[in-house]
Amino acid sequence: GNSVTQMEGPVTLSEEAFLTINCTYTATGYPSLFWYVQYPGEGLQLLLKATKADDKGSNKGFEATYRKETTSFHLEKGSVQVSDSAVYFCALSGWSSASKIIFGSGTRLSIRP
Amino acid sequence: DVKVTQSSRYLVKRTGEKVFLECVQDMDHENMFWYRQDPGLGLRLIYFSYDVKMKEKGDIPEGYSVSREKKERFSLILESASTNQTSMYLCASTGGNTIYFGEGSWLTVV
Repeated sequence: GNSVTQMEGPVTLSEEAFLTINCTYTATGYPSLFWYVQYPGEGLQLLLKATKADDKGSNKGFEATYRKETTSFHLEKGSVQVSDSAVYFCALSGWSSASKIIFGSGTRLSIRP
Repeated sequence: DVKVTQSSRYLVKRTGEKVFLECVQDMDHENMFWYRQDPGLGLRLIYFSYDVKMKEKGDIPEGYSVSREKKERFSLILESASTNQTSMYLCASTGGNTIYFGEGSWLTVV
């Protein structure tokens, strides 16, 4: 079945550092891929998504490229801020309209001033 | 904007009580989901529904049931709450292949 594996945390970086959070997936067909962010005490918010191979999703300085050849969707940001401290979830959705969304286990990111 | 609203943010219930968690979405989405989130375990799917009166078990349905009498409302029911059901519960709905979440309901069972 479909699955998502993401980098284990916690990840601690200094402000303005470069961020990469790895995400790989296993899926049949042509899934859509997502990154969600959860700030302390809140629900999950969609950060970015990509629906086909080679698509790049981007939002708030974050980017991720849908790589079918390596089955990956790594999250990157060139210069992180303290306000980026949160838990990040990689997810995939199958091609069917009734498909479940499969989430990775989440990566906690902490940014030091 | 899509809105997914969970009726209660914080609840404290006693062991053995019947608990209802309500979720409403305002975007006419067909698919709705209930997850629980626990430290170190990520999000685990309890139940989902792809139409009114339709439901399917997720990965951890034991101890839970659901109700979907109207398209916009999806209820999670704990028939007899137990302490191991203390968790954060997240409701979600999908539209356009994107999932939208509510704010979460923190349930403590004592």
